[in-house]
Amino acid sequence: EVQLVESGGGLVQPGGSLKLSCAASGFTFSGSAMDWVRQASGKGLEWIGRIRSKANSYATAYAASLKGRFIISRDDSQNTAYLQMNSLKTEDTAVYYCTRTHSSVDYWGQGTLVTVSS
Amino acid sequence: QPVLTQSSSASASLGSSVKLTCTLSSGHSTYIIAWHQQQPGRAPRYLMSLESSGDYNKGSGGPDRFSGSSSGADRYLTISNLQSEDEADYYCETWDSDTRVFGGGTKLTVL
Repeated sequence: EVQLVESGGGLVQPGGSLKLSCAASGFTFSGSAMDWVRQASGKGLEWIGRIRSKANSYATAYAASLKGRFIISRDDSQNTAYLQMNSLKTEDTAVYYCTRTHSSVDYWGQGTLVTVSS
Repeated sequence: QPVLTQSSSASASLGSSVKLTCTLSSGHSTYIIAWHQQQPGRAPRYLMSLESSGDYNKGSGGPDRFSGSSSGADRYLTISNLQSEDEADYYCETWDSDTRVFGGGTKLTVL
């Protein structure tokens, strides 16, 4: 059974940093691309970015609006993907989802809440 | 980059059928999309991927009541024999080499 479990969310002050983790199991993590998607309360889904597999040179891509502040990485030995978020703003407050992608997103984690507030 | 357009809301009666629409922007009418369901208070769940031909590939565990179809730039999700648990937000998704986009979502109310 595919499982994606996010952790690391919480309360952070504006301008601060936070690193989210996504622990994966039930599939060959090293061969899969992983994306991050967020959702502000009462709003729709917003794509953050993705990291491809080693076979695809761990290539990353990001939403233009977030590029430079957010960084996606992975550790295949730990079956874990990461989202490093810097210079956080109040509008970054959202539930953050880790997803597996095989062309489309085909599995979602349960999400972790990030609140940016003073 | 592609843009996906969805109606903000839809409603249908218990036991009836409903057809939700996702429209691809000009120049992107051949793109594959995916449909996702988000029940209240829960994470989204992948339902299916849907090609321009109308062929679709459902995710594991998805009810047989869900089906997909296509016409031009429009991609459809049809839910038959509506149940109360089908009341949810439905999002379409598409992608190209360096980006992924979601439609704004359709809130389905089961009457």
